[in-house]
Order: sequence, then structure tokens, then C-alpha cells
Amino acid sequence: DAKTTQPPSMDCAEGRAANLPCNHSTISGNEYVYWYRQIHSQGPQYIIHGLKNNETNEMASLIITEDRKSSTLILPHATLRDTAVYYCIVRPHTGANSKLTFGKGITLSVRP
Amino acid sequence: DSGVTQTPKHLITATGQRVTLRCSPRSGDLSVYWYQQSLDQGLQFLIQYYNGEERAKGNILERFSAQQFPDLHSELNLSSLELGDSALYFCASSVGEGAGSYNEQFFGPGTRLTVL
Repeated sequence: DAKTTQPPSMDCAEGRAANLPCNHSTISGNEYVYWYRQIHSQGPQYIIHGLKNNETNEMASLIITEDRKSSTLILPHATLRDTAVYYCIVRPHTGANSKLTFGKGITLSVRP
Repeated sequence: DSGVTQTPKHLITATGQRVTLRCSPRSGDLSVYWYQQSLDQGLQFLIQYYNGEERAKGNILERFSAQQFPDLHSELNLSSLELGDSALYFCASSVGEGAGSYNEQFFGPGTRLTVL
């Protein structure tokens, strides 16, 4: 079972920031938070991951709360091409288990 | 383009048949993963190979098998196909074997299997 909960859907206006929440209240100390997205039946695409500090790359920013029980993925200037299902996944940082366990994700709709 | 290739893109077959899906990982990646995405089950991990050896198994049916060859490409064999096997099958690859901060998985475009 997925160890994260996400709202089923949200929308935002093109050009605005999209803030996608994720709860992972049972996360353990050796688990990272990963975000992937899937655009209309294409293969999932890696976005970003983090342990406890905020992270930023060319695609997005990841804000993890101090207690690590929740996080927010931020797309700073959403475009129509960002319409996708976004998956928040927790995965061990070390060890042999490298599989990804996907939940239902959150469907982001970016409107013109 | 993730660098992971999968063939064929689409496959239509009948119940009871056997099919083979093929995956070529990104250059330099030693791990290959297979995932199944169906409407009712979502994205599910099936199996992982690392440098030719099986490393982890998920919810893979006994009718399904996989292998990774010396050139690191992988094949997923599905036999005695049932209607419920209709799904998208994704292959992913990564550099390393286990968990690790920089062992991200990169997914291919998938093979859409339709069983009639």
C-alpha cells in the first residue's frame, strides 16, 4: 500500500504557481520523498526528491515540513503541458528495496 | 525522451496467447524494472533485474516471467493471456541496484497490451 495520501485533483491557472500537497505521516527516518508525474499515459517522469531540506531544480521546488509528515511540490509557473497526474512516493534512502510504490496520485489540470 | 526504449508500442492479441515485451535501458544503467498499469490497479511494480540477475519481485503473476540479457536489455514474457492482463506495461531503468538518493528510475514510453 502507498504510504502517502494526496487529494484526487486540483486545478490552477496557466502562469500561476501550482502547489501540490502530500501527506506522509508514517514516513520513517531513512525514507526520501519522491515526486513523479505522468502525462496522459506516457511513462512516469521523475521530478524531484528530498529528505528533509527544501529542494529546487529546473522543474520544481519541494518543500518538506520540519516534522517530515507532509510536503508540497511547487510548479512555479504552471503551463498547459504540466497537466498530468502527480505521484508523491516515499522510498527508503538505503537498502536493497528500490521499487516505487505508486498511489493514485493527484490530477493537476492547468487551465488557460 | 528518457533514453529508455520499449517495443512494441501497441500489441493486440487473443486470450490464451503468449507475448514478449522488450525494453532497452538507458546507456550505463544496470537495473531494469517492469511495472504494470491497469485501470483498476494503478501502477504496480512487477520485477527488477540488476546486471542480469533478479533482484526484487512484486505482484507478478506466475504466468509472467522476465529476464535481463548480457547486453542489459530485458524482456517480459506474458503467457496464457487473460482479458485482465490488458494494461500498459512500463519498463524503467536506473544506474544502481538498491535504494539510494541518486538511483532515480527513468521510464520508457510503455507497451499497451490489449487482450481480446
